[in-house]
Amino acid sequence: NAGVMQNPRHLVRRRGQEARLRCSPMKGHSHVYWYRQLPEEGLKFMVYLQKENIIDESGMPKERFSAEFPKEGPSILRIQQVVRGDSAAYFCASSPPGGNYEQYFGPGTRLTVT
Amino acid sequence: GENVEQHPSTLSVQEGDSAVIKCTYSDSASNYFPWYKQELGKRPQLIIDIRSNVGEKKDQRIAVTLNKTAKHFSLHITETQPEDSAVYFCAASKGGATNKLIFGTGTLLAVQP
Repeated sequence: NAGVMQNPRHLVRRRGQEARLRCSPMKGHSHVYWYRQLPEEGLKFMVYLQKENIIDESGMPKERFSAEFPKEGPSILRIQQVVRGDSAAYFCASSPPGGNYEQYFGPGTRLTVT
Repeated sequence: GENVEQHPSTLSVQEGDSAVIKCTYSDSASNYFPWYKQELGKRPQLIIDIRSNVGEKKDQRIAVTLNKTAKHFSLHITETQPEDSAVYFCAASKGGATNKLIFGTGTLLAVQP
Protein backbone atom coordinates (compact mmCIF):
# COMPACT_ATOMS: atom_id res chain seq x y z
CA ASN A 1 0.00 0.00 0.00
CA ALA A 2 1.77 3.11 -1.21
CA GLY A 3 2.00 5.98 1.19
CA VAL A 4 1.29 9.62 0.51
CA MET A 5 3.11 10.71 -2.63
CA GLN A 6 4.33 14.19 -3.40
CA ASN A 7 6.08 15.60 -6.41
CA PRO A 8 8.33 17.16 -7.19
CA ARG A 9 10.56 16.51 -4.20
CA HIS A 10 12.61 19.60 -4.93
CA LEU A 11 11.52 22.65 -6.86
CA VAL A 12 13.53 25.75 -7.70
CA ARG A 13 11.74 28.83 -8.95
CA ARG A 14 12.84 32.39 -9.66
CA ARG A 15 10.97 35.23 -8.05
CA GLY A 16 7.75 35.93 -9.91
CA GLN A 17 7.33 32.42 -11.33
CA GLU A 18 4.59 29.96 -10.42
CA ALA A 19 5.05 26.83 -8.32
CA ARG A 20 2.76 23.80 -8.55
CA LEU A 21 3.03 21.13 -5.90
CA ARG A 22 1.22 17.82 -6.23
CA CYS A 23 -0.03 15.37 -3.64
CA SER A 24 -1.58 11.94 -4.06
CA PRO A 25 -3.16 10.65 -0.83
CA MET A 26 -2.83 7.13 0.49
CA LYS A 27 -5.13 4.60 -1.13
CA GLY A 28 -8.54 4.80 0.48
CA HIS A 29 -7.94 8.28 1.91
CA SER A 30 -10.17 11.09 0.75
CA HIS A 31 -9.01 13.92 3.02
CA VAL A 32 -5.93 15.97 2.16
CA TYR A 33 -4.14 18.59 4.25
CA TRP A 34 -1.31 20.93 3.31
CA TYR A 35 1.23 22.20 5.84
CA ARG A 36 4.20 24.50 5.45
CA GLN A 37 7.45 24.17 7.37
CA LEU A 38 9.83 27.10 7.30
CA PRO A 39 13.51 26.37 8.00
CA GLU A 40 14.12 25.54 11.67
CA GLU A 41 10.42 25.89 12.47
CA GLY A 42 7.37 23.75 13.10
CA LEU A 43 4.56 22.83 10.74
CA LYS A 44 1.80 25.33 10.03
CA PHE A 45 -1.60 24.28 8.72
CA MET A 46 -2.57 25.80 5.40
CA VAL A 47 -5.64 24.09 3.95
CA TYR A 48 -7.87 21.02 4.30
CA LEU A 49 -9.61 19.55 1.25
CA GLN A 50 -11.88 16.71 0.35
CA LYS A 51 -12.63 15.69 -3.22
CA GLU A 52 -13.82 18.81 -5.08
CA ASN A 53 -14.28 20.76 -1.83
CA ILE A 54 -12.20 23.11 0.27
CA ILE A 55 -13.20 22.44 3.87
CA ASP A 56 -10.91 24.79 5.78
CA GLU A 57 -8.51 27.31 4.26
CA SER A 58 -7.95 29.34 7.40
CA GLY A 59 -4.17 28.93 7.15
CA MET A 60 -3.78 29.98 3.54
CA PRO A 61 -2.25 33.37 2.75
CA LYS A 62 -4.90 35.61 1.27
CA GLU A 63 -3.07 36.22 -1.98
CA ARG A 64 -1.07 34.13 -4.46
CA PHE A 65 -1.89 30.76 -2.85
CA SER A 66 -4.62 28.39 -3.96
CA ALA A 67 -5.39 24.69 -3.60
CA GLU A 68 -7.61 22.15 -5.26
CA PHE A 69 -8.44 18.46 -5.02
CA PRO A 70 -10.27 17.49 -8.21
CA LYS A 71 -12.48 14.47 -8.65
CA GLU A 72 -9.73 12.79 -10.60
CA GLY A 73 -6.02 13.25 -10.00
CA PRO A 74 -3.84 14.63 -7.23
CA SER A 75 -4.36 17.59 -4.99
CA ILE A 76 -2.47 20.66 -6.17
CA LEU A 77 -1.09 23.56 -4.16
CA ARG A 78 -0.41 26.51 -6.43
CA ILE A 79 1.73 29.49 -5.54
CA GLN A 80 1.69 32.35 -8.00
CA GLN A 81 4.40 35.01 -8.31
CA VAL A 82 6.64 33.35 -5.76
CA VAL A 83 8.79 35.43 -3.42
CA ARG A 84 11.86 34.45 -1.39
CA GLY A 85 9.72 34.11 1.74
CA ASP A 86 7.85 31.24 0.11
CA SER A 87 10.98 29.08 0.34
CA ALA A 88 10.00 26.22 2.64
CA ALA A 89 9.11 22.56 2.80
CA TYR A 90 5.50 21.92 1.88
CA PHE A 91 4.04 18.74 3.30
CA CYS A 92 0.84 17.05 2.33
CA ALA A 93 -0.97 14.66 4.68
CA SER A 94 -3.97 12.43 4.17
CA SER A 95 -6.49 10.73 6.40
CA PRO A 96 -9.30 8.22 5.89
CA PRO A 97 -12.94 9.26 5.52
CA GLY A 98 -15.37 8.98 8.40
CA GLY A 99 -13.86 11.37 10.90
CA ASN A 100 -10.77 9.34 11.68
CA TYR A 101 -8.09 11.68 12.85
CA GLU A 102 -4.77 10.08 11.96
CA GLN A 103 -2.86 12.05 9.36
CA TYR A 104 -0.02 10.48 7.43
CA PHE A 105 2.52 12.73 5.78
CA GLY A 106 4.14 12.63 2.40
CA PRO A 107 7.89 13.23 1.86
CA GLY A 108 7.37 16.92 1.18
CA THR A 109 8.32 19.31 -1.59
CA ARG A 110 11.22 21.59 -0.82
CA LEU A 111 10.66 24.86 -2.64
CA THR A 112 13.57 27.20 -3.14
CA VAL A 113 12.94 30.65 -4.57
CA THR A 114 16.01 32.35 -6.03
CA GLY B 1 -6.71 31.53 19.34
CA GLU B 2 -5.50 27.98 18.97
CA ASN B 3 -2.01 27.46 20.31
CA VAL B 4 0.21 24.57 21.38
CA GLU B 5 3.30 25.21 23.45
CA GLN B 6 6.07 22.63 23.64
CA HIS B 7 9.02 22.27 26.02
CA PRO B 8 11.93 21.87 26.06
CA SER B 9 13.15 23.03 22.67
CA THR B 10 16.27 20.87 22.99
CA LEU B 11 16.91 17.81 25.10
CA SER B 12 20.11 15.82 25.46
CA VAL B 13 20.12 12.47 27.27
CA GLN B 14 22.47 9.57 27.68
CA GLU B 15 21.64 6.32 25.93
CA GLY B 16 19.40 4.24 28.18
CA ASP B 17 17.97 7.23 30.05
CA SER B 18 14.38 8.42 29.76
CA ALA B 19 13.21 11.50 27.89
CA VAL B 20 10.09 13.55 28.58
CA ILE B 21 8.61 16.22 26.33
CA LYS B 22 5.69 18.34 27.48
CA CYS B 23 2.97 20.24 25.63
CA THR B 24 0.08 22.44 26.63
CA TYR B 25 -2.85 23.44 24.43
CA SER B 26 -5.17 26.41 24.60
CA ASP B 27 -8.40 25.19 22.98
CA SER B 28 -10.42 23.11 25.42
CA ALA B 29 -12.37 21.61 22.48
CA SER B 30 -9.23 19.75 21.32
CA ASN B 31 -9.77 16.02 21.53
CA TYR B 32 -6.96 14.37 19.56
CA PHE B 33 -3.26 14.63 20.36
CA PRO B 34 -0.68 12.99 18.07
CA TRP B 35 3.09 12.97 18.33
CA TYR B 36 5.34 13.02 15.28
CA LYS B 37 9.01 12.22 14.89
CA GLN B 38 10.91 14.01 12.14
CA GLU B 39 14.45 13.11 11.14
CA LEU B 40 16.52 15.63 9.25
CA GLY B 41 15.15 16.14 5.75
CA LYS B 42 12.44 13.52 6.19
CA ARG B 43 8.70 13.49 6.58
CA PRO B 44 7.00 13.71 10.00
CA GLN B 45 6.14 10.20 11.16
CA LEU B 46 3.23 9.50 13.46
CA ILE B 47 4.63 7.59 16.44
CA ILE B 48 1.76 7.63 18.92
CA ASP B 49 -1.50 9.44 19.53
CA ILE B 50 -4.11 9.77 22.24
CA ARG B 51 -7.74 10.79 22.29
CA SER B 52 -9.43 12.82 24.98
CA ASN B 53 -11.34 9.87 26.42
CA VAL B 54 -8.10 8.19 27.45
CA GLY B 55 -5.59 9.32 30.07
CA GLU B 56 -2.60 7.26 29.05
CA LYS B 57 -1.43 5.12 26.14
CA LYS B 58 1.70 3.04 25.77
CA ASP B 59 3.46 1.41 22.83
CA GLN B 60 6.67 -0.42 23.76
CA ARG B 61 9.17 2.26 24.86
CA ILE B 62 6.86 5.17 24.10
CA ALA B 63 4.00 6.43 26.23
CA VAL B 64 1.78 9.48 26.17
CA THR B 65 -0.22 10.94 29.04
CA LEU B 66 -3.07 13.45 28.88
CA ASN B 67 -4.43 15.75 31.57
CA LYS B 68 -7.56 17.36 30.14
CA THR B 69 -8.15 19.53 33.19
CA ALA B 70 -4.73 21.12 32.90
CA LYS B 71 -4.79 20.96 29.07
CA HIS B 72 -1.45 19.25 29.18
CA PHE B 73 0.00 16.16 27.49
CA SER B 74 3.42 14.56 27.53
CA LEU B 75 5.57 12.10 25.59
CA HIS B 76 7.73 9.66 27.52
CA ILE B 77 10.48 7.66 25.87
CA THR B 78 12.20 5.04 28.02
CA GLU B 79 15.53 3.27 27.41
CA THR B 80 16.49 5.80 24.77
CA GLN B 81 18.66 4.72 21.84
CA PRO B 82 20.75 6.79 19.42
CA GLU B 83 18.16 6.17 16.69
CA ASP B 84 15.62 8.03 18.81
CA SER B 85 17.55 11.22 18.01
CA ALA B 86 15.24 13.47 15.97
CA VAL B 87 12.87 16.42 16.28
CA TYR B 88 9.61 15.53 18.02
CA PHE B 89 6.43 17.53 17.46
CA CYS B 90 3.26 17.43 19.48
CA ALA B 91 -0.04 18.52 17.94
CA ALA B 92 -3.68 19.03 18.85
CA SER B 93 -6.87 18.78 16.83
CA LYS B 94 -10.57 19.34 17.43
CA GLY B 95 -11.67 16.92 14.71
CA GLY B 96 -15.21 17.51 13.54
CA ALA B 97 -15.57 19.90 10.61
CA THR B 98 -11.84 20.37 10.48
CA ASN B 99 -9.12 17.93 11.40
CA LYS B 100 -6.38 20.50 11.15
CA LEU B 101 -3.43 19.85 13.40
CA ILE B 102 -1.99 22.68 15.45
CA PHE B 103 1.65 21.83 16.03
CA GLY B 104 4.03 22.67 18.82
CA THR B 105 7.39 24.21 17.97
CA GLY B 106 9.31 20.95 18.26
CA THR B 107 11.90 19.38 20.55
CA LEU B 108 15.31 18.38 19.24
CA LEU B 109 16.20 15.18 21.11
CA ALA B 110 19.83 14.08 21.08
CA VAL B 111 20.65 10.68 22.55
CA GLN B 112 24.34 10.44 23.36
CA PRO B 113 25.85 6.94 22.97
